[in-house]
Amino acid sequence: GQQVMQIPQYQHVQEGEDFTTYCNSSTTLSNIQWYKQRPGGHPVFLIQLVKSGEVKKQKRLTFQFGEAKKNSSLHITATQTTDVGTYFCAGPYSGAGSYQLTFGKGTKLSVIP
Amino acid sequence: KAGVTQTPRYLIKTRGQQVTLSCSPISGHRSVSWYQQTPGQGLQFLFEYFSETQRNKGNFPGRFSGRQFSNSRSEMNVSTLELGDSALYLCASSLVSGGGSEAFFGQGTRLTVV
Repeated sequence: GQQVMQIPQYQHVQEGEDFTTYCNSSTTLSNIQWYKQRPGGHPVFLIQLVKSGEVKKQKRLTFQFGEAKKNSSLHITATQTTDVGTYFCAGPYSGAGSYQLTFGKGTKLSVIP
Repeated sequence: KAGVTQTPRYLIKTRGQQVTLSCSPISGHRSVSWYQQTPGQGLQFLFEYFSETQRNKGNFPGRFSGRQFSNSRSEMNVSTLELGDSALYLCASSLVSGGGSEAFFGQGTRLTVV
């Protein structure tokens, strides 16, 4: 079954509003990664979090990794139209052989100008 | 450095046919993973190859197979195509296997089965 859950599935915001997407794992993760996929494009790596409680910032984007390393969030301050896209979290999960990078279903962000 | 290259970019096939997709990873990357992306299911893991060995396989039927060559280039094959195989197929290369490092995605191959 789905090992990493992302909410919400969709989010529509007015330009200038903040946006947050949440990622919850069924198991403890060694690391969590975030990707952005623009419409018609391919996923592009944003960041990797490794430490418990880690917080990293990239301009208007703030990423957090939970203390238990089972959840994470991405917060965008004052959204812009360039933020439009789908944001995915991903983590290594044990498969049949070894670990595999498994993605959440993503949060699709629409920004209304 | 050059990114991940996938060929072809677009493909239209008929049910029952087979198809081979190609992925050239970033130079120096030995891990190549394949994903199927559909609107309803998101990014679903197909398999990962590292140094020519399949490290892991997702929950897909045996019609989906792959291989990796000594230069790390990878191919994915789907036999006996079904309408439901229509999707964007993405490959990703990384330095470390198993999700230990960032994945660099190619632009994908858009497969349409009619």
